[in-house]
Amino acid sequence: AQSVTQLGSHVSVSEGALVLLRCNYSSSVPPYLFWYVQYPNQGLQLLLKYTSAATLVKGINGFEAEFKKSETSFHLTKPSAHMSDAAEYFCAVRKNFGNEKLTFGTGTRLTIIP
Amino acid sequence: DAGITQSPRHKVTETGTPVTLRCHQTENHRYMYWYRQDPGHGLRLIHYSYGVKDTDKGEVSDGYSVSRSKTEDFLLTLESATSSQTSVYFCAISTGFAEAFFGQGTRLTVV
Repeated sequence: AQSVTQLGSHVSVSEGALVLLRCNYSSSVPPYLFWYVQYPNQGLQLLLKYTSAATLVKGINGFEAEFKKSETSFHLTKPSAHMSDAAEYFCAVRKNFGNEKLTFGTGTRLTIIP
Repeated sequence: DAGITQSPRHKVTETGTPVTLRCHQTENHRYMYWYRQDPGHGLRLIHYSYGVKDTDKGEVSDGYSVSRSKTEDFLLTLESATSSQTSVYFCAISTGFAEAFFGQGTRLTVV
């Protein structure tokens, strides 16, 4: 079975500082990995996805993530935080074949300090 | 935005009453999912469908049933609502080979 672990349920960074949200996965087969963002009272929006092409994936709003098989990690980064990045972020995993559903982590709430 | 509509968006119901939530899509995607979101738990899968009349259980299916009689509609029913089912419910759709797209959610309160 697939699973993801998000380290840190709350992360605070200053505006302009580096954002680093951690995600480690467990999968018996090569995975597809995703980061979603959720703004208050809204649904989930896809930030970026890894589907076995390039290991460094660029997404929307200046975010990127790097798939590291040796570390079973898929951490999300952004060089310079903006106030509008305040939201909850979810990492998700699924198998790279078949009709498997997404399995989500428990989420990380990002707070931006002015 | 993917064409997903959840209804109702908000509902308050009494313990022991049946409740049905509706998810409607205009994308003709094969796969549809119901998740619930609770603080500290992220999103947990309740049921999913991989075609008309084809459904399967997720990790938190007890107390819930689903039906899919048309490609575009996926219904989630709480047979007899309990306070533990107070949650935000999200519908999602997928082609089955990559990411899922989510609706705006339904906030259900069971009193």
